[in-house]
Amino acid sequence: DQQVKQNSPSLSVQEGRISILNCDYTNSMFDYFLWYKKYPAEGPTFLISISSIKDKNEDGRFTVFLNKSAKHLSLHIVPSQPGDSAVYFCAATTINFQGAQKLVFGQGTRLTINP
Amino acid sequence: KAGVTQTPRYLIKTRGQQVTLSCSPISGHRSVSWYQQTPGQGLQFLFEYFSETQRNKGNFPGRFSGRQFSNSRSEMNVSTLELGDSALYLCASSLKPGTTQYFGPGTRLLVL
Repeated sequence: DQQVKQNSPSLSVQEGRISILNCDYTNSMFDYFLWYKKYPAEGPTFLISISSIKDKNEDGRFTVFLNKSAKHLSLHIVPSQPGDSAVYFCAATTINFQGAQKLVFGQGTRLTINP
Repeated sequence: KAGVTQTPRYLIKTRGQQVTLSCSPISGHRSVSWYQQTPGQGLQFLFEYFSETQRNKGNFPGRFSGRQFSNSRSEMNVSTLELGDSALYLCASSLKPGTTQYFGPGTRLLVL
């Protein structure tokens, strides 16, 4: 039962254009969502997050949109740069009664930015 | 500020052996979580520790265990290794439970 899904295993975008990465989830109890970027042989790097009480969060070139009714979130990167080429993971979490969380990850989307 | 460090970075073991992996969180972070990444299953949560107590646990067999020390450093142990345990094991630290997690580079374990 995959609770977080990234249906596009790969995406290719031209440098300077907008990259849009999508993520769907099934568990309506998720209350916090994050995007991580991962280069080969490195751990995931935190990019941006959004709480379920918001529908948009922006940080520089990165914007995350959350549509709770559709259980969908997306990451927009504008403008795309060659250094953005990496695997992007969407993650969702709930907080348990002890305040602890566990991240549930999607399978990742490999983004390639072409010069 | 130094990031999350994990040791060793690479490890080769044989079936039936046990292994211990170590994680030092970012200074000041008191919560440590462990994840397993495999090509088939992706990134999966193992457990989270805070104040030397396991606060949350994923769906892994009892062969996977962990602990946290008073200085917030954490270790995870896998006993009776199986071929399917070959994976990248990632540690993440956060200030406290429920806050953003920052990942280390991982330990790549190969079980032969």
